Amino acid sequence: QAVLTQPSSLSASPGASASLTCTLRSGINVGTYRIYWYQQKPGSPPQYLLRYKSDSDKQQGSGVPSRFSGSKDASANAGILLISGLQSEDEADYYCMIWHSSARVFGGGTKLTVL
Amino acid sequence: EVQLVESGGGLVKPGGSLRLSCAASGFTFSSYSMNWVRQAPGKGLEWVSSISSSSSYIYYADSVKGRFTISRDNAKNSLYLQMNSLRAEDTAVYYCARDDRWGNYFDYWGQGTLVTVSS
Repeated sequence: QAVLTQPSSLSASPGASASLTCTLRSGINVGTYRIYWYQQKPGSPPQYLLRYKSDSDKQQGSGVPSRFSGSKDASANAGILLISGLQSEDEADYYCMIWHSSARVFGGGTKLTVL
Repeated sequence: EVQLVESGGGLVKPGGSLRLSCAASGFTFSSYSMNWVRQAPGKGLEWVSSISSSSSYIYYADSVKGRFTISRDNAKNSLYLQMNSLRAEDTAVYYCARDDRWGNYFDYWGQGTLVTVSS
C-alpha cells in the first residue's frame, strides 16, 4: 500500500470549490505530519503551494492566492487541499508530499479539470 | 533571480551510466540543501536524493540506493547525480530542486533533463 494516496482525477466547475484529498497509509497518523502541496501544469516543473499541519503550523507559498488552503480530516487520516473560486488556470496536476523516515514521499497526484 | 539548469540527460542502454549536472545561479548555493526529483513519462513525482549544504548529510530513495550518487561542488555552484546500473524504470525527467532555507520544501525547480534507458 502506498504511503500517500490521491484520487487520480477530479472535475469541478469554474467558480466552485474543489477538495483534493491525500490519504495516509494506515498506521501513519496524519496528525503528526506537515503536508506539502505542489501544483504542476503541463510542460512545467512543479510549484510549491502551501504546507499544512494545523491551524497554528501552516504556511502559504510566496505569491500563492489565499483561495488555496490546507486542512486535515483526522477521521479519514487525510490531508486536504481546498481550492475555492475555481478558475480555468487552476487546471493542473496536484501532488501532496510528506517527510517520512528521512525521505520525501509524494502522492501519486490528482489531475484537476475545471470545466 | 534563482536559476537551476540541468544538463547531461540522454539515451543510455540498460546497465549503463550517466552523470547529470545542475548549474545554480542567483543565490548563495553553498547555503542551501539540494535535491533531485524525477518524473517518469506521464507519471507522478518521485524524490530521488538530497544533499545538505556542506555535503554532510545525504539521503537516497530506496529505488536508487547503491546505484546513484549525489554530490555537489560549492565552488562551482553545481549539483551532480552520478547514475550507474541504469534500468528501464529509471527513464524520467530529472529535476534539480532547491530546499527552502529550513529544508522543508522545494522552493525552486529547474526545467528538467530527460534520461531514457533503452536498448
